[in-house]
Amino acid sequence: AQSVSQHNHHVILSEAASLELGCNYSYGGTVNLFWYVQYPGQHLQLLLKYFSGDPLVKGIKGFEAEFIKSKFSFNLRKPSVQWSDTAEYFCAVNAGNDYKLSFGAGTTVTVRA
Amino acid sequence: DAMVIQNPRYQVTQFGKPVTLSCSQTLNHNVMYWYQQKSSQAPKLLFHYYDKDFNNEADTPDNFQSRRPNTSFCFLDIRSPGLGDAAMYLCATRRLAGGNTDTQYFGPGTRLTVL
Repeated sequence: AQSVSQHNHHVILSEAASLELGCNYSYGGTVNLFWYVQYPGQHLQLLLKYFSGDPLVKGIKGFEAEFIKSKFSFNLRKPSVQWSDTAEYFCAVNAGNDYKLSFGAGTTVTVRA
Repeated sequence: DAMVIQNPRYQVTQFGKPVTLSCSQTLNHNVMYWYQQKSSQAPKLLFHYYDKDFNNEADTPDNFQSRRPNTSFCFLDIRSPGLGDAAMYLCATRRLAGGNTDTQYFGPGTRLTVL
């Protein structure tokens, strides 16, 4: 079974700072990769996804992620965060056409105004 | 437009009193999932339905059951809730066909409190 590791449990930064959240997975085959965001008190929302093609994926709200197959990584980035980006971020991996989505433990991002 | 709807959004029950949580979808997706999410943790898959086929995760307690009477609806039944079952319960749907996969769409969740 695949596993997903998120490097940081809690990240605190100031507005306009750049953000990068690490995500690594353990599965050697074809994968589908996702980043979900959960704002305080709200449900999980899809930020972006990678199925195939260009490994640099652009999502909503200025987020992007890069799939590096050789490193089994799918790191999330945003050049300049806003206070409204305060949320929990989950990386998730689906192996091939498996039914199951494996989540990382999540990273809490706190942006200070 | 709401695509995955969960009712109620908040549910309070007493220790040992059965409770049913509801999920409906307007996406006509063939797969429906139930997750349990505790505070500051990742969602934990309890089980899923692929069409009418029920698939239980190995570590899901027997206390948790599910029903899917039709494509649109799926229910989570907790037969005898314990204090440890207090959590957010998330429903998700997905289209899975011919080896092609799609995104999982999550509902807003039902927050269960057990007194």
